[in-house]
Amino acid sequence: DQQVKQNSPSLSVQEGRISILNCDYTNSMFDYFLWYKKYPAEGPTFLISISSIKDKNEDGRFTVFLNKSAKHLSLHIVPSQPGDSAVYFCAARDARTGTASKLTFGTGTRLQVTL
Amino acid sequence: DTAVSQTPKYLVTQMGNDKSIKCEQNLGHDTMYWYKQDSKKFLKIMFSYNNKELIINETVPNRFSPKSPDKAHLNLHINSLELGDSAVYFCASSVELRRTDTQYFGPGTRLTVL
Repeated sequence: DQQVKQNSPSLSVQEGRISILNCDYTNSMFDYFLWYKKYPAEGPTFLISISSIKDKNEDGRFTVFLNKSAKHLSLHIVPSQPGDSAVYFCAARDARTGTASKLTFGTGTRLQVTL
Repeated sequence: DTAVSQTPKYLVTQMGNDKSIKCEQNLGHDTMYWYKQDSKKFLKIMFSYNNKELIINETVPNRFSPKSPDKAHLNLHINSLELGDSAVYFCASSVELRRTDTQYFGPGTRLTVL
């Protein structure tokens, strides 16, 4: 039962252009969403998050958009840089877990930024 | 000055053996977690401890036993290892148990069961 889906396993973007990573979810009780970035041989690193009461959150070159009706979120990176090449994981929290911080992850999208 | 560290980084062992993975965080966090990333790249939570108390226990075989001797450490002991236990195990920590607290991950331990 895959509640968080990242249907594109990989994405290649030219340096300077926009990278758009997509994530779909099925659980309508998710109320907080996060993006994590992972380099090889390292653990995931928190990138940006968004609460379900918002539809956009921006932090520098990174913007996350949330479309609750479509159960879809996306991460935009503008402009893309070679150092952004990594695997990006979408994650979500279920509102019913109370205070417990239980994350449900997608399977990741490998972004490669080319020169 | 590693925030969340795990040892060992790689672990290769035979079926039926018992092994442990150690995790330490120097961030002063109250909450620690264990995640398993399987061959299909699914990253799933296994356990969560808050102030040495077990808070989250997903449907994990009881061959897996977490132990938290203090707030800064959460170790994972696995008995009678099976082929399906081969995965990358990540430890993580967060300030408290609040749902919006950012989780900080360790580098992972790649376990291979032969």
